[in-house]
Amino acid sequence: QQQVKQSPQSLIVQKGGISIINCAYENTAFDYFPWYQQFPGKGPALLIAIRPDVSEKKEGRFTISFNKSAKQFSLHIMDSQPGDSATYFCAASRHGLGGKLIFGQGTELSVKP
Amino acid sequence: GAGVSQSPSNKVTEKGKDVELRCDPISGHTALYWYRQRLGQGLEFLIYFQGNSAPDKSGLPSDRFSAERTGESVSTLTIQRTQQEDSAVYLCASSRDLNTEAFFGQGTRLTVV
Repeated sequence: QQQVKQSPQSLIVQKGGISIINCAYENTAFDYFPWYQQFPGKGPALLIAIRPDVSEKKEGRFTISFNKSAKQFSLHIMDSQPGDSATYFCAASRHGLGGKLIFGQGTELSVKP
Repeated sequence: GAGVSQSPSNKVTEKGKDVELRCDPISGHTALYWYRQRLGQGLEFLIYFQGNSAPDKSGLPSDRFSAERTGESVSTLTIQRTQQEDSAVYLCASSRDLNTEAFFGQGTRLTVV
């Protein structure tokens, strides 16, 4: 019940294309769903996060879509750029435990020029 | 400080030796978290602190692992009698409180030879 499953494991997208990464969770007590971006040799950095009271959140080129009934959420990166090449992690946590995150396995995104 | 600071950035140790990893959280952050990231994998929760107390140690892999926090500031993760399977990047994060986003340090890469 604590797992967060992430797919795909790796993704190659052409510059200007849309990158889509999907996550699914089991624990219905989760109510905070962040996405982290990690560059090699660096710690993860918060990219965007959503709570289950909304179905979509957009920040610039990054959008989270959330489907509460299906227990799924996804990250869309519009107009993908080579600088977006990184590993992306979805995560989930329960109220009051915002930093005790259950992470997905990560998606290595490569954006080709 | 500007962000979460971890030291050392790299540590190579011999099997059986003890190691101490240090984390300096963002000033004023009351919550502090430790994670482990094995090569090519997602982050694995180890322990969190609220102030100097550790309400949840559920992620510590064995009794060789321990952590403490003093002065609601610096935290130390200690691994006794290190094993090769302890080789990983150990990441620390802090948040203003338990309901706000967590910011990660760059991690300590531990290699046990």
